[in-house]
Amino acid sequence: AQSVTQPDIHITVSEGASLELRCNYSYGATPYLFWYVQSPGQGLQLLLKYFSGDTLVQGIKGFEAEFKRSQSSFNLRKPSVHWSDAAEYFCAVGADTGNQFYFGTGTSLTVIP
Amino acid sequence: ETGVTQTPRHLVMGMTNKKSLKCEQHLGHNAMYWYKQSAKKPLELMFVYSLEERVENNSVPSRFSPECPNSSHLFLHLHTLQPEDSALYLCASSPSRTPRYEQYFGPGTRLTVT
Repeated sequence: AQSVTQPDIHITVSEGASLELRCNYSYGATPYLFWYVQSPGQGLQLLLKYFSGDTLVQGIKGFEAEFKRSQSSFNLRKPSVHWSDAAEYFCAVGADTGNQFYFGTGTSLTVIP
Repeated sequence: ETGVTQTPRHLVMGMTNKKSLKCEQHLGHNAMYWYKQSAKKPLELMFVYSLEERVENNSVPSRFSPECPNSSHLFLHLHTLQPEDSALYLCASSPSRTPRYEQYFGPGTRLTVT
């Protein structure tokens, strides 16, 4: 069965430090991959997505993610974190089989001054 | 109003009440979704509507009843809920049900069942 794993439940980084959030998926074919961010009291906002082509994709707010087929991963990165990046981050996978969409359990990011 | 809106934003109801959650999308999308978000759990897809037809119902208890009167509006009717139904209920829409399209989310309704 398809699944999405975000191994880190919570991450704390200092403002200005780099960030990497991990996402692994299980799916037989090439999936559609997404990263969303959720601020407190808000819905999910799309940061970036990958369908095909260049495996390094750029998103909003200075985020990027790299698709690595061999590792079944789609990790999210940001070179310098800002305090406003504190939020919950969700990785999601879209699968053509059954028109399904799977979300990970999320990674909570805390940014310390 | 733009994007996906949800009302009310907060709702407290007793186990014997009947209430409804409303979702409206202003994006011209053809698919709409209800999700339940509980702490430390993945988002649970509850219902999917495509072109106003319910295409998915993921074993949701009958105390949750969706309604999609047109492609812009989606309701979730609630009755005789249980305390474990307390959660954030998110509505989303997408241009089509096919998973290559991202979903656009509303801010959610925080439901507390007492």
